[in-house]
Amino acid sequence: EVQLVESGGGLVKPGGSLRLSCVASGFSFNYAWMSWVRQAPGKGLEWIGRVKSKSDGGTTDYGTPVKGRFTISRDDSKNTLYLQMNSLETEDTALYYCTSFVLSNHYWGQGTLVTISS
Amino acid sequence: DIQMTQSPSSLSASVGDRVTITCRASQGIGNDLGWYQQKPGKAPKRLIYAASSLQSGVPSRFSGSGSGTEFTLTISSLQPEDFATYYCLQHNTYSWTFGQGTKVEIK
Repeated sequence: EVQLVESGGGLVKPGGSLRLSCVASGFSFNYAWMSWVRQAPGKGLEWIGRVKSKSDGGTTDYGTPVKGRFTISRDDSKNTLYLQMNSLETEDTALYYCTSFVLSNHYWGQGTLVTISS
Repeated sequence: DIQMTQSPSSLSASVGDRVTITCRASQGIGNDLGWYQQKPGKAPKRLIYAASSLQSGVPSRFSGSGSGTEFTLTISSLQPEDFATYYCLQHNTYSWTFGQGTKVEIK
């Protein structure tokens, strides 16, 4: 069974940093392209970015709102995806999901809540 | 970046109604589009992939059509469990874009 479990969310002051993790199981993580998607309270879905598998170059792409502030990385030895978030703004308050296309489906974690407030 | 314009933003419908939701892409994306259903407090669930292919386990009352820039999700006969918010997602380019969402409410 495919599982994606996010952690690391919490309350942070504006300008602060936070690192989210996503532990994957049930599929070959090292071959998967992994993405982060967020959803602000009561709002729609927003793509944050993606990291390709190392065999496909391991490169990253980011959405415009987070470019230069957020960094996605992966540790295939731990089946873990990371999202390093710096220079956090109140607009970054959201539920953050880890996602991946695996075989013929699109899997999502349950999300981890990040709140940016002074 | 590709923009996705989804309409309507909300609709009211009755059980048994036929419902249609549309997404328009700002440039051609082939058939690299999926449709998702999200219920409160839950992660999105994919219903349709490659614009018109039904995800395994999804009821056949859901269907998708279109290619290039115009896409449609149709629910042929709305059921009580279908009241939710629906999103399109394009993944044609190096970046993804979601539509703004359509909230389907009970009339």
